[in-house]
Amino acid sequence: GAGVSQSPSNKVTEKGKDVELRCDPISGHTALYWYRQSLGQGLEFLIYFQGNSAPDKSGLPSDRFSAERTGGSVSTLTIQRTQQEDSAVYLCASSWDRSETQYFGPGTRLLVL
Amino acid sequence: DQQVKQNSPSLSVQEGRISILNCDYTNSMFDYFLWYKKYPAEGPTFLISISSIKDKNEDGRFTVFLNKSAKHLSLHIVPSQPGDSAVYFCAASPQGGSEKLVFGKGTKLTVNP
Repeated sequence: GAGVSQSPSNKVTEKGKDVELRCDPISGHTALYWYRQSLGQGLEFLIYFQGNSAPDKSGLPSDRFSAERTGGSVSTLTIQRTQQEDSAVYLCASSWDRSETQYFGPGTRLLVL
Repeated sequence: DQQVKQNSPSLSVQEGRISILNCDYTNSMFDYFLWYKKYPAEGPTFLISISSIKDKNEDGRFTVFLNKSAKHLSLHIVPSQPGDSAVYFCAASPQGGSEKLVFGKGTKLTVNP
């Protein structure tokens, strides 16, 4: 079956612009996660959605970052007024439930010039 | 303040030999640990996990050992194969499940033919 997909695969933007990153989780997975990996770093948790519950936003680095999940499926991560330090690979993962194995997408490589 | 540390950024072994990847953690609330494998331009893929009630978990060529008193875990791959060449991430969860994973920076394993 289809895995987690993310789009775009690469995004180059200018400092100050807004960007939207999309994640399509595995069908039927109720939990969805966003992480980012900066150069030379491990994956950093950003936000977590579980079913219809309020998302856990505790990992979002600033109020420029927001995410939503429509209809319990597709999720969009939005970064407003991008900064150069936002350059990273943004990874989405999904799982059947909150305590199950997370399956990752290929990521979106964001470069802010 | 890194809660999950992989102190070796790289490791090189000969095909057929054992690969040992190490991971240390500082948060005593972590009770579930995972290893992920990542190829270039792909998302991480789940490899093996262990909960704190066990000290060993084995799956084919892969074995994870957990030493809670030392807050240390290791991944053994034996025999190593060239296809095992990838970046390996250690991850830990503070909530008894696999949500909100805290990742190490990864160790790049190269298995030479």
